[in-house]
Amino acid sequence: GQNIDQPTEMTATEGAIVQINCTYQTSGFNGLFWYQQHAGEAPTFLSYNVLDGLEEKGRFSSFLSRSKGYSYLLLKELQMKDSASYLCAVLDSNYQLIWGAGTKLIIKP
Amino acid sequence: GAVVSQHPSWVICKSGTSVKIECRSLDFQATTMFWYRQFPKQSLMLMATSNEGSKATYEQGVEKDKFLINHASLTLSTLTVTSAHPEDSSFYICSARDQLADYNEQFFGPGTRLTVL
Repeated sequence: GQNIDQPTEMTATEGAIVQINCTYQTSGFNGLFWYQQHAGEAPTFLSYNVLDGLEEKGRFSSFLSRSKGYSYLLLKELQMKDSASYLCAVLDSNYQLIWGAGTKLIIKP
Repeated sequence: GAVVSQHPSWVICKSGTSVKIECRSLDFQATTMFWYRQFPKQSLMLMATSNEGSKATYEQGVEKDKFLINHASLTLSTLTVTSAHPEDSSFYICSARDQLADYNEQFFGPGTRLTVL
């Protein structure tokens, strides 16, 4: 079966750095997405990785290792507004998105 | 970036009535749209994949006669929840795939919160 694992909840301090991990087992791989979702709102796109390595975009970076079935989202200089759920999703061989359950990130002052 | 709208943003209805939710891609053509449902504190659950001009593909466990999907044009898909019941109360989100985008990103609508009394 297809499976995506990410921690249920994480807590970090404002101004710090946090890394959210995601491991996956899917039938085929056509890329991995990270989305941010605030409570009561739809997800918004953060990043896309299809090749191994690190993609940096401002305070957010995303890393992928296809051989390990592993990705992480790195958030630097945390702000209170970063409190949200972070969803990892993999595009499988049928170009269908397989979603993780999401990681709720709580930022404390 | 690509914009997807949903209407209505929220709706309250009586049990047994039907509710139609519209999903529109505003600045791109979407041959494929997706309908998701999300219960509180849970992840997105794909309900169905909607392809323009053809029947929708429903995920296992989703009743196609209860959740009617119509993708009549390249910019509009509708989801009708027929004979709604309180257990159908949820956050319904659509997304659309822009075939011309650099990668197969799905752009999400803002969601529709349905409350069935």
